[in-house]
Amino acid sequence: QSVLTQPPSASGTPGQRVTMSCSGSSSNIGSNYVYWYQQLPGTAPKLLIYKNNQRPSGVPDRFSGSKSGTSASLAISGLRSEDEADYYCAAWHDSLSGQVFGGGTKLTVL
Amino acid sequence: QVQLVESGGGVVQPGRSLRLSCAASGFIFSNFAMHWVRQAPGKGLEWVAVISYDEDHKYYADSVKGRFTVSRDNSKNTLYLQMNSLGAEDTAMYYCARNWGYLRDGYMTGYWGQGTRVTVSS
Repeated sequence: QSVLTQPPSASGTPGQRVTMSCSGSSSNIGSNYVYWYQQLPGTAPKLLIYKNNQRPSGVPDRFSGSKSGTSASLAISGLRSEDEADYYCAAWHDSLSGQVFGGGTKLTVL
Repeated sequence: QVQLVESGGGVVQPGRSLRLSCAASGFIFSNFAMHWVRQAPGKGLEWVAVISYDEDHKYYADSVKGRFTVSRDNSKNTLYLQMNSLGAEDTAMYYCARNWGYLRDGYMTGYWGQGTRVTVSS
């Protein structure tokens, strides 16, 4: 059971816009930044979004993040087949003194 | 560019110990906190531990507290994870990760290595 809650799956067709949610509490998302990671099949995770809505250099602007209260979301516009991956949200948890992850959302591009 | 190369994984019997290493390059190692994260086969990501840039602060997941020890050698640009009393539940790919930003940015993983696999089995 992950501390952050994500839907296990999401899907969309090429060109579509998809969003995925991440729900936490006042001890993690509610008081700290949210980060998002993309894990392509058989590879290591890669940072996609940091500090709620900032993109590292090289990440396309098709990817965007937002946060409201104790929830966050990741949106992908202009969906491409290469976006098919697992997506994880994460935040620092104050009382646990550790980084916590969501269980991950598996994105399928139909 | 940031490069992180893990090593030391393998097959180990339950109850035994293993030490993982992570060689860093492409950035000033002594300026950044470093993390270990693991992923059991077919499962999600689980954060394991973080160590501050100067080793003054170390934090662990409850699942490994008292069994695992994170350390670093800034003169060798290397991060370590000493794992004792290993059990089947520790079977996973272990990733080292550089903290995204400096101390003022808090502790969160940024750049990741490719991982080293640990299998605990008799």
